[in-house]
Amino acid sequence: GDQVEQSPSALSLHEGTGSALRCNFTTTMRAVQWFQQNSRGSLINLFYLASGTKENGRLKSTFNSKESYSTLHIRDAQLEDSGTYFCAALHSNYQLIWGSGTKLIIKP
Amino acid sequence: DMKVTQMPRYLIKRMGENVLLECGQDMSHETMYWYRQDPGLGLQLIYISYDVDSNSEGDIPKGYRVSRKKREHFSLILDSAKTNQTSVYFCASSSGTGAETLYFGSGTRLTVL
Repeated sequence: GDQVEQSPSALSLHEGTGSALRCNFTTTMRAVQWFQQNSRGSLINLFYLASGTKENGRLKSTFNSKESYSTLHIRDAQLEDSGTYFCAALHSNYQLIWGSGTKLIIKP
Repeated sequence: DMKVTQMPRYLIKRMGENVLLECGQDMSHETMYWYRQDPGLGLQLIYISYDVDSNSEGDIPKGYRVSRKKREHFSLILDSAKTNQTSVYFCASSSGTGAETLYFGSGTRLTVL
């Protein structure tokens, strides 16, 4: 079936650095959401995008529905950014399809 | 304050016992969800509810049923729990038809012995 491929599966960053997480979609999606699952297991919504780019503090996300991908950029990483990041894409049939997550470790 | 509340936070049951997981939200969201998450994996949709008494099966509904008698409450029921239902269960809600931002509860860690 239609899928969401999330990469990398794991990532280690030093405090103060940055990187990008990516989700590729096998078909055109209507929208994408990004979540952080923190060390306590809570799922926190970060962004909802139907198109374009949104920024919130040190996080920025882009959704390109034509080219079927979305990215989440983290800059100036802090220890509390550690966790697992999930994207979830809204299919044309309104089903939400989840990626398998990127485990992010921030090192002091 | 927008909140999805799940009870209980931790639960241990014996195989064959009935399990009731409760979820509430204070945002008047129409759509509510039950997911399970197993170690190292993403979320799997069990059931989705579009409003009171308007529930649909998700990807893994077998062994589960749900009840939504009030918009703000959505319950997940395991009749005769099995050991392979040991998991972390998350409830979520969203406005409209489910095409909006999801808000998650803090999860219930269920162990079936």
